[in-house]
Amino acid sequence: KNEVEQSPQNLTAQEGEFITINCSYSVGISALHWLQQHPGGGIVSLFMLSSGKKKHGRLIATINIQEKHSSLHITASHPRDSAVYICAVNAYNTDKLIFGTGTRLQVFP
Amino acid sequence: GAVVSQHPSWVICKSGTSVKIECRSLDFQATTMFWYRQFPKQSLMLMATSNEGSKATYEQGVEKDKFLINHASLTLSTLTVTSAHPEDSSFYICSAHNTGTVRTPNYGYTFGSGTRLTVV
Repeated sequence: KNEVEQSPQNLTAQEGEFITINCSYSVGISALHWLQQHPGGGIVSLFMLSSGKKKHGRLIATINIQEKHSSLHITASHPRDSAVYICAVNAYNTDKLIFGTGTRLQVFP
Repeated sequence: GAVVSQHPSWVICKSGTSVKIECRSLDFQATTMFWYRQFPKQSLMLMATSNEGSKATYEQGVEKDKFLINHASLTLSTLTVTSAHPEDSSFYICSAHNTGTVRTPNYGYTFGSGTRLTVV
């Protein structure tokens, strides 16, 4: 079993839909990251969370430390949101990231 | 915001030759740089961690003599794939770790844009 699990693996949506991607982890962490990888391969860091909730534009990320679970929400989805979304965590006392397998999102007009 | 410049973005080379990939942090000092490899539709696989001024730490199964990493300054780390073979064809991406701790405002990871290597 992977230390970081994401669901769903693939997700398709119509433009305007509300999207949720889930991440569960089994190790103790100091931080959780949500990353976006575009078709060209470049990776952008969206959020770093250690507790609570963060919002940036149409993106919202939440984390529940007790339940070891995080969600990434996209409101009013748009075709340009199509990408792979990756959850990654810092385990305690390490700078290394442990990655989930990613969620491939396609938003159709 | 923090930017990591990675070059080249793609390279095609002949078997047996060496290829150097550069990652440069443009507006911050990166004491730690991570090098990843990614196969199609798979997640990132950590190859090695490089710290400025010291030898890189390689993950199990990664040949340090084949994937040479140099981190000579706080803003530049390089990965050289030596004697490349077709099985080395992959997407390589670096990530710079901002200095500080989780509580430091600038703490975090900034990724390069990646290098697609094709060995023919």
